[in-house]
Amino acid sequence: DVVLTQTPPTLLATIGQSVSISCRSSQSLLHSNGNTYLNWLLQRTGQSPQPLIYLVSKLESGVPNRFSGSGSGTDFTLKISGVEAEDLGVYYCMQFTHYPPTFGGGTKLELK
Amino acid sequence: QVQLKESGPGLVKPSETLSLTCTVSGFSLTSYHVSWVRQPPGKGLEWMGVIWGDGSTAYNSALKSRLSISRDTSKSQVFLKMSSLKTEDTATYYCAREVSYLRFAYWGQGTLVTVSS
Repeated sequence: DVVLTQTPPTLLATIGQSVSISCRSSQSLLHSNGNTYLNWLLQRTGQSPQPLIYLVSKLESGVPNRFSGSGSGTDFTLKISGVEAEDLGVYYCMQFTHYPPTFGGGTKLELK
Repeated sequence: QVQLKESGPGLVKPSETLSLTCTVSGFSLTSYHVSWVRQPPGKGLEWMGVIWGDGSTAYNSALKSRLSISRDTSKSQVFLKMSSLKTEDTATYYCAREVSYLRFAYWGQGTLVTVSS
């Protein structure tokens, strides 16, 4: 199975600060069809995960453009340009290129 | 609108079989794939298995010997059955629907299952 390693496990930020989360894969996530099925999700406390980004960098409908995703192959990054209070929670990367789908261990974003 | 809702027993004894139901609305089970994902308390997410729109299934190899996913399209329900439960199976169980470009755009609220004698 593909292992996704997220760093850091915990991220302390102030409101308005820009932060980045790394997700590294044990295998390339480039599918034979040319797509890279790397997604990002946010799970707020007590809630279900919600999708943020798919295909590395495409924002889900309704997701603010302060969120951005980048990367290729085995290295991916989620950036939040100006953290807001509603952004707090645990961020997960997830790959769908190889079966079974797997998730990273999560990065908890907290207020400093 | 698209909705998924999990239901189940809440408490199950070790060695028993877990049965969960995911009731969906706003879409047809014959057109979309639905997966089960679980999350132990305070831990990360684990994909368990999927039932595809054509009714075929795939399972996480770590759970395959104990897991079965089925559906009743007339009732818009997807079922999970997992046998030989252990305390480590204590988790919140989610059902989630795939959309194009392989991502889970819709999630249920989750149902907490505790395995304890």
